[in-house]
Amino acid sequence: NAGVTQTPKFQVLKTGQSMTLQCAQDMNHEYMSWYRQDPGMGLRLIHYSVGAGITDQGEVPNGYNVSRSTTEDFPLRLLSAAPSQTSVYFCASSPSSNQYEQYFGPGTRLTVT
Amino acid sequence: EDQVTQSPEALRLQEGESSSLNCSYTVSGLRGLFWYRQDPGKGPEFLFTLYSAGEEKEKERLKATLTKKESFLHITAPKPEDSATYLCAVQVVFGNEKLTFGTGTRLTIIP
Repeated sequence: NAGVTQTPKFQVLKTGQSMTLQCAQDMNHEYMSWYRQDPGMGLRLIHYSVGAGITDQGEVPNGYNVSRSTTEDFPLRLLSAAPSQTSVYFCASSPSSNQYEQYFGPGTRLTVT
Repeated sequence: EDQVTQSPEALRLQEGESSSLNCSYTVSGLRGLFWYRQDPGKGPEFLFTLYSAGEEKEKERLKATLTKKESFLHITAPKPEDSATYLCAVQVVFGNEKLTFGTGTRLTIIP
């Protein structure tokens, strides 16, 4: 079991570029989510999914898109990168929305210049 | 608005010196309170879930407790490997599966 995997580990983008952060889990978890972590602030929820084909917005969704075509994968797309999106991004999963022990991936450190 | 406040921001202890970390919360209705440990450069690692006031959970040198307004993470006789940032999060009733995180307590255990 690899758990939750994220790629890439590090990424530098120029303002206006787009990219996709990849997230995959091999635990057959229903629930997946994306957070960003910034210094002095708690983890903030960007988007989440309660199952394949179902996604919803979290606390800070602007500038990000998600889709969930399979149970395993939950990619996060940055449409037009901005310096305010410089952050560490974590993907997490849990067996269901009622079983909230979330398992986090190792994170992607993104810098937008 | 749901709020989670952790204190202190940072704590330095000598090896073997027991202490407690605090997580106070203001929510409309608590569904669960979660403790995570985060090592530098890594994702948070789940430690405990507490659901109701009076509940306690233990794991090795850590014990988490819950009241109606706050949770404590007690660390007994800590070792250097307990050094990490400890995060608290709450899930609220009718909260759309959302966790609200505190900013964490950075714990350093000095040998």
